[in-house]
Amino acid sequence: RKEVEQDPGPFNVPEGATVAFNCTYSNSASQSFFWYRQDCRKEPKLLMSVYSSGNEDGRFTAQLNRASQYISLLIRDSKLSDSATYLCVVNPSTGNNRLAFGKGNQVVVIP
Amino acid sequence: DAGITQSPRHKVTETGTPVTLRCHQTENHRYMYWYRQDPGHGLRLIHYSYGVKDTDKGEVSDGYSVSRSKTEDFLLTLESATSSQTSVYFCAISEGDSSGGHEQYFGPGTRLTVT
Repeated sequence: RKEVEQDPGPFNVPEGATVAFNCTYSNSASQSFFWYRQDCRKEPKLLMSVYSSGNEDGRFTAQLNRASQYISLLIRDSKLSDSATYLCVVNPSTGNNRLAFGKGNQVVVIP
Repeated sequence: DAGITQSPRHKVTETGTPVTLRCHQTENHRYMYWYRQDPGHGLRLIHYSYGVKDTDKGEVSDGYSVSRSKTEDFLLTLESATSSQTSVYFCAISEGDSSGGHEQYFGPGTRLTVT
C-alpha cells in the first residue's frame, strides 16, 4: 500500500463553487501533514500545514481525521487562479525528516 | 520565498555522459533533498543530506550519487546518464530536528533530457 494516496482527478470546478478532496495515508504513526500547491511546470509550494484541530487560511480549510487516516482540503469560492495540482504530504514516521508525497489532485477552475 | 537556486535550469545531454546538478541555499538549513518528478509517479526521493558530508539514499537512488561539502551546496551526479533519467529534478531544504516532519521548501527545478 502506498504511503499517501490521492485521486488525481481532474476536478473541474465552476468559478465560485466549492471543491473538496481527501487523501489517505497508510502509517498510523504519521505526525506531520501538509498540503502543497504545484502550478504547471513549477516547483511545489507549501499551501498549509494540517493540525489535529484543523486549520483555515482564507478560502482554504484543511482537516485531519486520524481515526480514518485521511486529510482533506476544501476550497471555497474557487478562483481561476486556484487551478493547480494540490499535493498531499505526510511525514510517515516520528523522528524522520523525510516526507511522502501523494501524486496530487488536479483542480481546474472553469469560468 | 526560501533562498534556493538550482543550476542548470535546463540541460540536454547524451546517453552515457556524466551530469552534475547543483542546488544552492542561503537559508542555512541542515537538511537538503533531491527528488525527481515524472508523470504518474509524483515526487520520488533520490538522496538526502542531514549535514555536511552526511548523506543517505532515498527510494530511487540507483544511478545517482550526491555530495555535500558545504552547508549551502548539495550536488547530484548522474554517473552515466540514461534515457530513463530524463525527468524534472527538484532540490528541497528543511530545517529538520530530532522530532522530524518539518515542511520542505523547493527550488525551481532542473529539466534534464537524456537523448
